[in-house]
Amino acid sequence: NAGVMQNPRHLVRRRGQEARLRCSPMKGHSHVYWYRQLPEEGLKFMVYLQKENIIDESGMPKERFSAEFPKEGPSILRIQQVVRGDSAAYFCASSPPSRVASSGNTIYFGEGSWLTVV
Amino acid sequence: GQQLNQSPQSMFIQEGEDVSMNCTSSSIFNTWLWYKQDPGEGPVLLIALYKAGELTSNGRLTAQFGITRKDSFLNISASIPSDVGIYFCANEGTYKYIFGTGTRLKVLA
Repeated sequence: NAGVMQNPRHLVRRRGQEARLRCSPMKGHSHVYWYRQLPEEGLKFMVYLQKENIIDESGMPKERFSAEFPKEGPSILRIQQVVRGDSAAYFCASSPPSRVASSGNTIYFGEGSWLTVV
Repeated sequence: GQQLNQSPQSMFIQEGEDVSMNCTSSSIFNTWLWYKQDPGEGPVLLIALYKAGELTSNGRLTAQFGITRKDSFLNISASIPSDVGIYFCANEGTYKYIFGTGTRLKVLA
């Protein structure tokens, strides 16, 4: 039973290039979350998506960042024209569709994508 | 907005010692989750709590869901070097999961 799969694990981009991070949720999970972790800091919420819908993007920077979760395929976090401050670990997480607190209704993380902007 | 406050922020302990950390909030929650993040890895779920007053163990780890539903604690007994890492509490806020600032644990052999 595969967990949350993220790729690439490590990505190096020059300033001004685009970074594209992919996330495949756990089997049976239809909710995807993206979090960013700056060095020596905690997890900051970016965006919450369900299939073909952005539910909450209150943590996303207004410019250069976008996310999607198409009907088919993985969720994509896209960062355009990267700057050095974008260097961070980006974590994807998924949860099942039920919103009722119960055993199993928790959020599971991938291993992260480490973006380095040079 | 909703915020989870973790303490302590970091701690150094000797191998074999017990560790205690907690997480508090101004809001009431229906779940409390505890995660551990090893260096260079993603957070891994340790314990999930779903009921006020619930006390749950996972090996040397024990966590409790506070009666007021505004807090939780995590205990680690007889710590070992591989317990090093960052421990996060988490909760389901409006449309998203929110995380505490983390407790960084370092175990001295």
